[in-house]
Amino acid sequence: GQSLEQPSEVTAVEGAIVQINCTYQTSGFYGLSWYQQHDGGAPTFLSYNALDGLEETGRFSSFLSRSDSYGYLLLQELQMKDSASYFCAVKSFQKLVFGTGTRLLVSP
Amino acid sequence: SQTIHQWPATLVQPVGSPLSLECTVEGTSNPNLYWYRQAAGRGLQLLFYSVGIGQISSEVPQNLSASRPQDRQFILSSKKLLLSDSGFYLCASGGGGHMNTEAFFGQGTRLTVV
Repeated sequence: GQSLEQPSEVTAVEGAIVQINCTYQTSGFYGLSWYQQHDGGAPTFLSYNALDGLEETGRFSSFLSRSDSYGYLLLQELQMKDSASYFCAVKSFQKLVFGTGTRLLVSP
Repeated sequence: SQTIHQWPATLVQPVGSPLSLECTVEGTSNPNLYWYRQAAGRGLQLLFYSVGIGQISSEVPQNLSASRPQDRQFILSSKKLLLSDSGFYLCASGGGGHMNTEAFFGQGTRLTVV
């Protein structure tokens, strides 16, 4: 089976940098994705890492270490609108399995 | 990009009643399709996934079933709802296999079983 662990909640202030970690156990690993979900809404795709290293997309970056079964999402220059839940997800063969989710609270 | 149509947005059903949630996909062909359930403030639990017409894989034994009668149609059903079936149901397309890196979600159905 698959399991993904994330911290349940992270708090930060506007303009700060925050890192959300994800550790996973899975077979048939293809890559690690990150999704954002605002309250009451659907998840939206942020980034995907298939290989080790850092992927940067604007204020968001995502990192993967396949040997450590570990990844993180880095959010820079935090804005109030970044308050949301963030999920890592593992592609395993034909499945897409999500982590437990991290609620990010950004304060002024 | 893909568009996922999912309806209804909200649904209140009595215990023991049947359920049918439909999801249709535009903008792609032969997608991987998924049904997830999300309890309030929790993660997304994978319920079913499908790699093609008539091909359904169940992840969690439960009171629900899924069907894929057409390439871009995915249906979640129950013959008799339980209180524990309440939750936010999300249909998603894509994200499976090496080539698809992004999953697209419908807007979800919030089901309350009373």
